[in-house]
Amino acid sequence: GESVGLHLPTLSVQEGDNSIINCAYSNSASDYFIWYKQESGKGPQFIIDIRSNMDKRQGQRVTVLLNKTVKHLSLQIAATQPGDSAVYFCAENGPGDTGRRALTFGSGTRLQVQP
Amino acid sequence: EADIYQTPRYLVIGTGKKITLECSQTMGHDKMYWYQQDPGMELHLIHYSYGVNSTEKGDLSSESTVSRIRTEHFPLTLESARPSHTSQYLCASSGIWGRQETQYFGPGTRLLVL
Repeated sequence: GESVGLHLPTLSVQEGDNSIINCAYSNSASDYFIWYKQESGKGPQFIIDIRSNMDKRQGQRVTVLLNKTVKHLSLQIAATQPGDSAVYFCAENGPGDTGRRALTFGSGTRLQVQP
Repeated sequence: EADIYQTPRYLVIGTGKKITLECSQTMGHDKMYWYQQDPGMELHLIHYSYGVNSTEKGDLSSESTVSRIRTEHFPLTLESARPSHTSQYLCASSGIWGRQETQYFGPGTRLLVL
């Protein structure tokens, strides 16, 4: 079936470096994508989203890039800090009626920031 | 910060017990969801609701049941807990963020069935 998956299970970066977390999706009909951050013992927290009519969106220290041609989504974190250590999930608006769609989540990437 | 709450945060219980996991949101969202998540793994949708008296099963088969009698409340019940039910259960609700619906999550309930 349709799925959303991540390329790397664990990413280790040095504090201050930029991080790039990747996500591949297979449902070409998906029109909305979200990145969530989940810290240990907490629920996922919304970071940034992007609609399919855009290819780039920037937030505070984060940028999401969408390449619909290859069905690829990435999250870039600038100047990574220890507080960025968490598991990051991408999610897509799943198939179904517009008013009834539930998100489909990828398997997650653990980001470890080394001091 | 989303106003969605889950209780209890942690629960250790014996096999065969009936349990109810509570989820409440104060945002007036019509849509609510339950996900199951094992440590370090992806989230699996087990139940969702589009509004009062509306509930549907999600992608992952679950022995749990849900009810939606009030907009703000979406409890999940296990009639007879088993060790295979040990997991983290996350509740979410969705509302409009900008022009798009976005899901907001509660802190989760970690369940351990002995």
